[in-house]
Amino acid sequence: KAGVTQTPRYLIKTRGQQVTLSCSPISGHRSVSWYQQTPGQGLQFLFEYFSETQRNKGNFPGRFSGRQFSNSRSEMNVSTLELGDSALYLCASSSGVGYEQYFGPGTRLTVT
Amino acid sequence: QKEVEQNSGPLSVPEGAIASLNCTYSDRVSQSFFWYRQYSGKSPELIMSIYSNGDKEDGRFTAQLNKASQYVSLLIRDSQPSDSATYLCAAPTGGGNKLTFGTGTQLKVEL
Repeated sequence: KAGVTQTPRYLIKTRGQQVTLSCSPISGHRSVSWYQQTPGQGLQFLFEYFSETQRNKGNFPGRFSGRQFSNSRSEMNVSTLELGDSALYLCASSSGVGYEQYFGPGTRLTVT
Repeated sequence: QKEVEQNSGPLSVPEGAIASLNCTYSDRVSQSFFWYRQYSGKSPELIMSIYSNGDKEDGRFTAQLNKASQYVSLLIRDSQPSDSATYLCAAPTGGGNKLTFGTGTQLKVEL
């Protein structure tokens, strides 16, 4: 099976802009979770989608949003980018609640 | 108290030795635990999952879970330089598939 894919892999944006990141889960996986990883805060949960519904949300401002499509692909959007949004954004997919989560390669976002 | 805690290290072991990585968690409801390995500049890779008390072995890796003590560990036997990485412990918290991660333990296997 192909693994989790994320696009783009690298992105440079300017403060105030918005960005959309994409994630395609492992075939058959309906749960997609998003995480932010920074050197200072480590890996932090953003949100999880299952069958097109947001099932859980972490402690991030409303500028961070996401959605899931009927084919389980997911996108996350960050509006009004801030310097502190520079991070590695990771997507993970799972076949069910409590099951293993497999990460994609991540999108490295740099905000200047 | 953080929900998932790990020693940040670095933990240095000689090649061929056993590396022991530890993790404690605060949510007694957690039923599953995961160990991920992350090489510098790469994404986390799942190496072990454990759901019940006791030991689970997979190749050179053994995960140990003690729910009464809220403690989970990872043993790496015959450590190799290629095992040098950051190891992250994770537990589901807050429902759904939300994982809370420890800060990770950096392992260095020295020749």
